[in-house]
Amino acid sequence: EAGVAQSPRYKIIEKRQSVAFWCNPISGHATLYWYQQILGQGPKLLIQFQNNGVVDDSQLPKDRFSAERLKGVDSTLKIQPAKLEDSAVYLCASSPRFLGEQYFGPGTRLTVT
Amino acid sequence: GENVEQHPSTLSVQEGDSAVIKCTYSDSASNYFPWYKQELGKGPQLIIDIRSNVGEKKDQRIAVTLNKTAKHFSLHITETQPEDSAVYFCAASMTGGSYIPTFGRGTSLIVHP
Repeated sequence: EAGVAQSPRYKIIEKRQSVAFWCNPISGHATLYWYQQILGQGPKLLIQFQNNGVVDDSQLPKDRFSAERLKGVDSTLKIQPAKLEDSAVYLCASSPRFLGEQYFGPGTRLTVT
Repeated sequence: GENVEQHPSTLSVQEGDSAVIKCTYSDSASNYFPWYKQELGKGPQLIIDIRSNVGEKKDQRIAVTLNKTAKHFSLHITETQPEDSAVYFCAASMTGGSYIPTFGRGTSLIVHP
Protein backbone atom coordinates (compact mmCIF):
# COMPACT_ATOMS: atom_id res chain seq x y z
CA GLU A 1 0.00 0.00 0.00
CA ALA A 2 1.11 3.58 -0.58
CA GLY A 3 2.69 5.34 2.38
CA VAL A 4 1.99 8.74 3.89
CA ALA A 5 2.57 11.46 1.30
CA GLN A 6 3.76 14.96 2.15
CA SER A 7 4.51 18.04 0.08
CA PRO A 8 6.52 20.04 -0.46
CA ARG A 9 9.65 18.17 0.63
CA TYR A 10 11.62 21.37 1.12
CA LYS A 11 10.64 24.99 1.67
CA ILE A 12 12.70 28.11 2.29
CA ILE A 13 10.93 31.30 3.37
CA GLU A 14 11.77 34.57 5.06
CA LYS A 15 10.58 35.33 8.56
CA ARG A 16 7.10 36.82 8.79
CA GLN A 17 6.05 35.01 5.60
CA SER A 18 3.38 32.32 5.51
CA VAL A 19 3.77 28.67 4.56
CA ALA A 20 1.50 25.64 4.22
CA PHE A 21 2.25 21.93 4.27
CA TRP A 22 0.08 19.16 2.90
CA CYS A 23 -0.35 15.57 4.05
CA ASN A 24 -2.20 12.62 2.52
CA PRO A 25 -2.42 9.73 4.99
CA ILE A 26 -2.54 6.03 4.20
CA SER A 27 -5.94 5.13 2.80
CA GLY A 28 -8.40 4.20 5.51
CA HIS A 29 -6.35 5.61 8.38
CA ALA A 30 -8.67 7.60 10.63
CA THR A 31 -6.03 9.13 12.89
CA LEU A 32 -3.59 11.77 11.64
CA TYR A 33 -0.76 13.52 13.48
CA TRP A 34 1.47 16.51 12.79
CA TYR A 35 4.89 16.62 14.45
CA GLN A 36 7.69 19.20 14.55
CA GLN A 37 11.22 17.78 14.59
CA ILE A 38 13.97 20.28 15.34
CA LEU A 39 17.48 19.21 14.29
CA GLY A 40 18.99 16.85 16.84
CA GLN A 41 15.75 16.24 18.71
CA GLY A 42 12.91 13.77 18.67
CA PRO A 43 9.57 14.60 17.06
CA LYS A 44 7.21 16.76 19.11
CA LEU A 45 3.47 16.32 18.61
CA LEU A 46 1.68 19.46 17.42
CA ILE A 47 -1.84 18.23 16.74
CA GLN A 48 -3.79 14.98 16.46
CA PHE A 49 -6.95 14.40 14.41
CA GLN A 50 -9.46 11.56 14.62
CA ASN A 51 -11.32 11.67 11.28
CA ASN A 52 -11.89 15.42 10.84
CA GLY A 53 -12.07 16.28 14.54
CA VAL A 54 -9.21 17.54 16.71
CA VAL A 55 -8.30 15.14 19.54
CA ASP A 56 -5.40 17.12 20.98
CA ASP A 57 -3.79 20.43 20.00
CA SER A 58 -2.37 21.38 23.38
CA GLN A 59 1.16 21.74 22.00
CA LEU A 60 0.21 23.71 18.89
CA PRO A 61 1.26 27.41 19.05
CA LYS A 62 -2.16 28.64 18.07
CA ASP A 63 -1.13 32.27 17.66
CA ARG A 64 0.72 31.33 14.46
CA PHE A 65 0.02 27.68 13.64
CA SER A 66 -3.24 26.26 12.33
CA ALA A 67 -4.25 22.89 10.94
CA GLU A 68 -7.30 21.38 9.36
CA ARG A 69 -8.39 18.02 8.06
CA LEU A 70 -11.31 18.48 5.73
CA LYS A 71 -13.46 15.41 5.00
CA GLY A 72 -11.31 13.35 7.36
CA VAL A 73 -8.63 12.56 4.76
CA ASP A 74 -6.00 15.11 3.65
CA SER A 75 -4.65 17.65 6.08
CA THR A 76 -2.86 21.00 5.86
CA LEU A 77 -0.66 22.68 8.45
CA LYS A 78 -0.11 26.42 8.15
CA ILE A 79 2.31 28.82 9.80
CA GLN A 80 1.54 32.52 9.65
CA PRO A 81 3.76 34.45 10.26
CA ALA A 82 6.86 32.27 10.42
CA LYS A 83 9.68 32.85 12.90
CA LEU A 84 13.32 31.76 12.72
CA GLU A 85 12.69 29.15 15.44
CA ASP A 86 10.11 27.43 13.23
CA SER A 87 12.95 26.00 11.13
CA ALA A 88 12.46 22.24 11.47
CA VAL A 89 11.18 19.14 9.72
CA TYR A 90 7.40 18.85 9.85
CA LEU A 91 6.30 15.23 9.92
CA CYS A 92 2.87 13.84 9.24
CA ALA A 93 1.87 10.40 10.52
CA SER A 94 -1.27 8.33 10.31
CA SER A 95 -2.64 5.40 12.24
CA PRO A 96 -5.21 2.77 11.26
CA ARG A 97 -7.01 3.21 14.55
CA PHE A 98 -7.06 5.48 17.55
CA LEU A 99 -4.08 4.77 19.80
CA GLY A 100 -2.54 2.46 17.23
CA GLU A 101 0.89 2.26 15.63
CA GLN A 102 1.93 5.29 13.59
CA TYR A 103 3.27 5.44 10.04
CA PHE A 104 5.29 8.53 9.20
CA GLY A 105 5.68 10.41 5.95
CA PRO A 106 9.07 11.68 4.69
CA GLY A 107 8.55 15.14 6.19
CA THR A 108 8.86 18.71 4.94
CA ARG A 109 12.10 20.50 5.78
CA LEU A 110 11.34 24.17 6.49
CA THR A 111 14.09 26.78 6.63
CA VAL A 112 13.15 30.27 7.83
CA THR A 113 15.74 32.94 7.04
CA GLY B 1 3.82 15.81 31.42
CA GLU B 2 5.87 12.84 30.33
CA ASN B 3 9.66 13.17 30.06
CA VAL B 4 11.75 10.62 28.16
CA GLU B 5 15.53 10.44 28.53
CA GLN B 6 17.53 8.44 25.96
CA HIS B 7 21.17 7.29 26.12
CA PRO B 8 23.65 7.25 24.58
CA SER B 9 23.29 10.06 22.05
CA THR B 10 25.88 8.37 19.80
CA LEU B 11 26.83 4.70 19.61
CA SER B 12 29.59 3.33 17.41
CA VAL B 13 30.02 -0.45 17.01
CA GLN B 14 31.75 -2.91 14.73
CA GLU B 15 29.71 -5.02 12.35
CA GLY B 16 28.54 -8.15 14.14
CA ASP B 17 28.61 -6.58 17.61
CA SER B 18 25.50 -5.94 19.70
CA ALA B 19 24.07 -2.49 20.37
CA VAL B 20 21.96 -1.41 23.33
CA ILE B 21 20.03 1.85 23.64
CA LYS B 22 18.35 2.78 26.91
CA CYS B 23 15.43 5.04 27.74
CA THR B 24 13.81 6.14 30.97
CA TYR B 25 10.41 7.73 31.40
CA SER B 26 8.80 9.71 34.18
CA ASP B 27 5.04 9.09 34.01
CA SER B 28 4.10 5.76 35.57
CA ALA B 29 0.80 5.90 33.63
CA SER B 30 2.63 5.40 30.31
CA ASN B 31 1.89 1.96 28.94
CA TYR B 32 2.97 1.92 25.28
CA PHE B 33 6.65 2.13 24.24
CA PRO B 34 7.50 2.14 20.51
CA TRP B 35 10.96 2.35 18.94
CA TYR B 36 11.58 4.09 15.63
CA LYS B 37 14.44 4.03 13.13
CA GLN B 38 15.03 7.20 11.12
CA GLU B 39 17.32 7.21 8.13
CA LEU B 40 18.66 10.41 6.63
CA GLY B 41 15.98 12.36 4.78
CA LYS B 42 13.19 9.98 5.78
CA GLY B 43 10.47 9.88 8.39
CA PRO B 44 10.74 7.61 11.45
CA GLN B 45 9.81 3.97 10.85
CA LEU B 46 8.34 1.82 13.62
CA ILE B 47 10.63 -1.17 14.18
CA ILE B 48 9.26 -2.68 17.38
CA ASP B 49 6.96 -1.76 20.24
CA ILE B 50 6.06 -3.09 23.66
CA ARG B 51 3.10 -2.64 25.94
CA SER B 52 3.20 -2.54 29.72
CA ASN B 53 1.76 -6.01 30.20
CA VAL B 54 4.82 -7.53 28.51
CA GLY B 55 8.40 -7.61 29.83
CA GLU B 56 10.22 -8.50 26.63
CA LYS B 57 9.54 -8.77 22.92
CA LYS B 58 11.74 -10.06 20.10
CA ASP B 59 11.67 -9.74 16.33
CA GLN B 60 14.62 -11.44 14.64
CA ARG B 61 17.73 -9.41 15.57
CA ILE B 62 15.81 -6.80 17.52
CA ALA B 63 14.50 -7.07 21.06
CA VAL B 64 12.98 -4.65 23.54
CA THR B 65 12.81 -5.04 27.31
CA LEU B 66 10.65 -3.10 29.74
CA ASN B 67 11.05 -2.63 33.49
CA LYS B 68 7.93 -0.81 34.70
CA THR B 69 9.11 -0.66 38.29
CA ALA B 70 12.29 1.17 37.34
CA LYS B 71 10.54 3.00 34.48
CA HIS B 72 13.08 2.13 31.86
CA PHE B 73 13.08 0.24 28.58
CA SER B 74 15.85 -0.78 26.23
CA LEU B 75 16.41 -1.68 22.58
CA HIS B 76 18.82 -4.49 21.81
CA ILE B 77 20.17 -5.11 18.31
CA THR B 78 22.28 -8.24 17.81
CA GLU B 79 24.64 -9.05 14.94
CA THR B 80 24.62 -5.46 13.76
CA GLN B 81 24.99 -4.72 10.05
CA PRO B 82 26.02 -1.49 8.27
CA GLU B 83 22.41 -0.99 7.17
CA ASP B 84 21.43 -0.71 10.83
CA SER B 85 23.20 2.67 10.87
CA ALA B 86 20.53 5.31 11.54
CA VAL B 87 19.04 7.43 14.33
CA TYR B 88 16.89 5.48 16.75
CA PHE B 89 14.15 7.07 18.85
CA CYS B 90 12.27 5.68 21.81
CA ALA B 91 8.86 7.00 22.80
CA ALA B 92 6.40 6.63 25.65
CA SER B 93 2.67 7.23 25.72
CA MET B 94 -0.62 6.20 27.25
CA THR B 95 -3.27 4.21 25.43
CA GLY B 96 -6.07 5.61 27.53
CA GLY B 97 -7.41 9.13 27.33
CA SER B 98 -5.29 11.67 25.46
CA TYR B 99 -2.53 9.98 23.55
CA ILE B 100 0.46 12.32 23.31
CA PRO B 101 3.55 10.29 22.48
CA THR B 102 6.75 11.78 23.94
CA PHE B 103 9.97 10.99 22.11
CA GLY B 104 13.53 10.73 23.35
CA ARG B 105 16.23 12.87 21.74
CA GLY B 106 17.53 10.02 19.62
CA THR B 107 20.62 7.82 19.37
CA SER B 108 22.83 7.93 16.30
CA LEU B 109 23.99 4.34 15.71
CA ILE B 110 27.02 3.88 13.47
CA VAL B 111 27.95 0.33 12.43
CA HIS B 112 31.45 0.10 10.99
CA PRO B 113 32.00 -2.64 8.37
